[in-house]
Formats: sequence, C-alpha cells, structure tokens
Amino acid sequence: KQEVTQIPAALSVPEGENLVLNCSFTDSAIYNLQWFRQDPGKGLTSLLLIQSSQREQTSGRLNASLDKSSGRSTLYIAASQPGDSATYLCAAYTNAGKSTFGDGTTLTVKP
Amino acid sequence: EAGVVQSPRYKIIEKKQPVAFWCNPISGHNTLYWYRQNLGQGPELLIRYENEEAVDDSQLPKDRFSAERLKGVDSTLKIQPAELGDSAVYLCASSTKLTVVAFFGQGTRLTVV
Repeated sequence: KQEVTQIPAALSVPEGENLVLNCSFTDSAIYNLQWFRQDPGKGLTSLLLIQSSQREQTSGRLNASLDKSSGRSTLYIAASQPGDSATYLCAAYTNAGKSTFGDGTTLTVKP
Repeated sequence: EAGVVQSPRYKIIEKKQPVAFWCNPISGHNTLYWYRQNLGQGPELLIRYENEEAVDDSQLPKDRFSAERLKGVDSTLKIQPAELGDSAVYLCASSTKLTVVAFFGQGTRLTVV
C-alpha cells in the first residue's frame, strides 16, 4: 500500500525567503505526482503535475522535482510572499488512477 | 467556465440521521471522485467514477455510505445513518484523465452531533 509523507507538518518563514517542501512515497511505481495548494475552508487547487517520465516541472516561482528511485518529490518556492501562505499537499498516482495524498505542509510566510 | 460545484457547503446533523451531498462536475469531465478529508489530514478517496461506472469503491464504507452518478454527470453521496466519526469535509473532484485529479470543489463540511 502506497504511503505518502510530508515533513515538516508546518513551516514558518520570513517574506522573500526561498523554501523547499518535501514529499516522500514508499512505492516508486508511481505514474504521476501532483502538488496542490489548499487555502483554509477551500478545496484543493492543482499547482504542478509531474509525469513519471519527467524530472521536474516549473510554473512561475514554483518548481517541482521528482526522483522516483529515492521516492521523493520537492516543491521549491522562490521569493516567498505572504500570499503563498496555505497548506501544500502532494499526491501520488498509480497508472490505474489510484491516488494517495500526504497530510500536507502548512506554510506561513510572515511579512 | 464553472468549476466543480458542491452543495451544501455546511451541514450539521444529529447522529443516526441520514445526509446527502451533491456534486456537479465540470462539463465534459468523465472522471468524478469523492474524497473525505479529516482535519489536518490529506484527502482519502471514497469512490471514483468513470462516466456512470464506479471503478474504485474499495475505500467506501458500504454499510452506511452509498453513491450514485446517474447519466454520468451529477453525483450524490449519501450516509445513512451518520456517526460521530463521519464529521469531516467531503470533497468532490473531476478530471478528463484517469491518472490526475484536475479540479476540486469547495467541499461540504459535515458535523455530526
């Protein structure tokens, strides 16, 4: 059974800092890995999708990497802003479409 | 384009009562998911539909939970009877692809008292 772990559970940084969020998974036979953002009381918003054949994806100040052999993905956020404060979740998918989510990292960016 | 629409947003019921949640996915999205999210945790899949067929309901507690997706569009998730431990946010999501969840609704926050 796939297990997805996100450490730390919470992170607080000053505005402008670059930061890395971590996601680890136990079964390397994943098909896709996806990063989401969740604001309080809201649903999840997809940020980046990395297919198993890819090593990384970029969108604006966000860069996500995937290393299947080590069972890790990272989400890099450059020049963090208070508006980046949210919970960030990763999800691993099998080729049959079964998804397993981590419990998320709650990020606070202080002005 | 309208996103995934869920209703109600909030529901408070007494234990042993029935409750139903409704989801309207994005037009043209064949894949529909129902997730349950407990406080401080990630979403857990309850059931996944491809059109009107439930292709993965292995995590659905079938003694009290049921779901349907008539005509392969809207979907309803029902709990009968509700228990205190069912208090959570119930999220609906839809996608055009089997292997990625593209869009989530805002969720229904259920409180069982």
